[in-house]
Amino acid sequence: QQKVQQSPESLIVPEGAMTSLNCTFSDSASQYFAWYRQHSGKAPKALMSIFSNGEKEEGRFTIHLNKASLHFSLHIRDSQPSDSALYLCADSGTYQRFGTGTKLQVVP
Amino acid sequence: NAGVIQTPRHKVTGKGQEATLWCEPISGHSAVFWYRQTIVQGLEFLTYFRNQAPIDDSGMPKERFSAQMPNQSHSTLKIQSTQPQDSAVYLCASSLVGGPSQNTLYFGAGTRLSVL
Repeated sequence: QQKVQQSPESLIVPEGAMTSLNCTFSDSASQYFAWYRQHSGKAPKALMSIFSNGEKEEGRFTIHLNKASLHFSLHIRDSQPSDSALYLCADSGTYQRFGTGTKLQVVP
Repeated sequence: NAGVIQTPRHKVTGKGQEATLWCEPISGHSAVFWYRQTIVQGLEFLTYFRNQAPIDDSGMPKERFSAQMPNQSHSTLKIQSTQPQDSAVYLCASSLVGGPSQNTLYFGAGTRLSVL
């Protein structure tokens, strides 16, 4: 079965630091890749997505996709306490498959 | 736009009882998905409807779980003879069909099912 794996499982970073979250997928035919963020007790919410190899930046957030290495990453510049959440990556076949998430805590 | 609405927010059932979960997708969204979220398994796909038709139910435990979408404004997930291992947060999501925006999932707040 196609799987999405995330690392690390949890992460604590100081405010202002760069945070890097990683995702590997197994389906080389996947066409769509996304990061979702889920604050405690809330619904997952789409953060950023990408269709093709390369990099995409929106504000403090940057995503990288390398289909050849089956790797997808999210980088958060100048991490803030409000960024503390569960981060979920997803690839998409017929439906979106999610990793188990990385729990990020940004401490002041 | 109220977003995806799920009811009830919490449901407690006894082992062996039935549970019905409701989802109202965003108006104009033609795709509806059900997922189940637990600490151990993460977010697991259950089933998917497009234009009310079932497209993929490969994630559904076949024996006790069923899902329907009788009209474009709501979908239900029914679990018969609930078991403690069914305890989870059940999330419904909807999306547009067609175009670059079609893949973004909009999730409801979920129904937390507790089976005692």
